[in-house]
This record gives sequence, C-alpha cells and structure tokens, in this order.
Amino acid sequence: QEQLQESGPGLVKPSETLSLTCTVSGYSIRSGYYWGWIRQPPGKGLEWIGSIYHSGSTDYNPSLKSRVTISVDTSKNQFSLRLNSVTAADTAVYYCARAAAGSWGQGTLVTVSS
Amino acid sequence: DIQMTQSPSTLSASVGDRVTITCRASQSISTWLAWFQQKPGKAPKVLIYKASRLQSGVPSRFSGSGSETEFTLTISSLQPDDFATYYCQQYNTSSGTFGQGTKLEIK
Repeated sequence: QEQLQESGPGLVKPSETLSLTCTVSGYSIRSGYYWGWIRQPPGKGLEWIGSIYHSGSTDYNPSLKSRVTISVDTSKNQFSLRLNSVTAADTAVYYCARAAAGSWGQGTLVTVSS
Repeated sequence: DIQMTQSPSTLSASVGDRVTITCRASQSISTWLAWFQQKPGKAPKVLIYKASRLQSGVPSRFSGSGSETEFTLTISSLQPDDFATYYCQQYNTSSGTFGQGTKLEIK
C-alpha cells in the first residue's frame, strides 16, 4: 500500500505563499488515481482543498480556487500545493492523500503568523 | 459542486450501544462514498469505501449502506476504542467533499 509524507515550512507570514510537497512511495503516481490535499483548522472539520491527476488535470474547492495551485512531478513521484495570500484563517494541519479512500500522510501543521 | 450533509453533529452513547450516523449528498454519487474515523492528533483512517466495503483490518462491527444520496454508517456494538469523530466523504468526481463530522461521545 502506498505511503505519503508531507514536507514544507511550518510557519508562513501573512500575505505570503504556503508551499507543501507530498512524496509518495510504494505506488507510482503515473499508474492512476487522483491525489489530493485536505486541511483541518484547529478544532474544526476536514476541508478538501483540491486534487490532481498524473496528467496534470486538477479540481479545486471553489472557496479556495482563486488562491490554490496543485502541481505534479511524476519523475519525483511527488505532488505539491501552493496557497497564496495566506491569512490566520489558513492555519491548519495539512494532509495529502490518495483519492478514492486511499492512504493519507500523517499531516503537517502550518501556522500563519508574523 | 456536491455538498455533503452529515448528522448528527454530536452523538452520546454507551459501550454496547448500536449507533447510526447519516450522510446525505446534494446530488447522486452512486456508491462513491467513504467513511473515516479520526482520533485527536491523528490522521483520519478509512473504515468503509464504496459505501459498504469494509477496509482491510477494520472490525466487522462497522458497516456502511446506501446509494445515490442517502448513506449510513452503523456501529453494531460500541467499544471503548470507537469514541472518536467520524466523517463521510464523496469521491464521485475529481473533487472530494467531506461531511461536517460526527463526534461520538461517551454517555
């Protein structure tokens, strides 16, 4: 079964860009499935951010669409999240996951603060 | 966009009880629905996929049913380890909307 691991800065300043990468092992992204990002603000529920296919086709949460970019690097078996113009409301644990009820990463806390 | 409405938001129950959580989709998603269990500080864990298929390693007291727009997660006899928060998620399309969550508390 695939394993996923998030990486990236744990602290981002307001108005700057949050960037995270998810490294997949045990499964080739090229083989299929959508791969996604989900976040969970402290004490709140899960929010789907967006998904990407190995071809590069994407789908984003309409509430975040104007600020989100998800990309894929099949040569490194990674996919990435960029969220720009962040505010304190973007503070959350960010998870990467394989879509269709696949595996999840352990999550990484990103705090937006000056 | 597909919206998922989950109920109740909080459920108080005792060990040994049978409990049911409901998830409703704003449009038909066939059986493209998963149920997750989440404990504090941990990533969500898949319990059920494709509405009714039990993930490997998940106890058989968990079951899922439903199709199109109405789905249920049932725990047949609550165990102490089951007190957690539960989420449904649709994956009918390339999106993956979640329900709001149900916190299962000890009565």
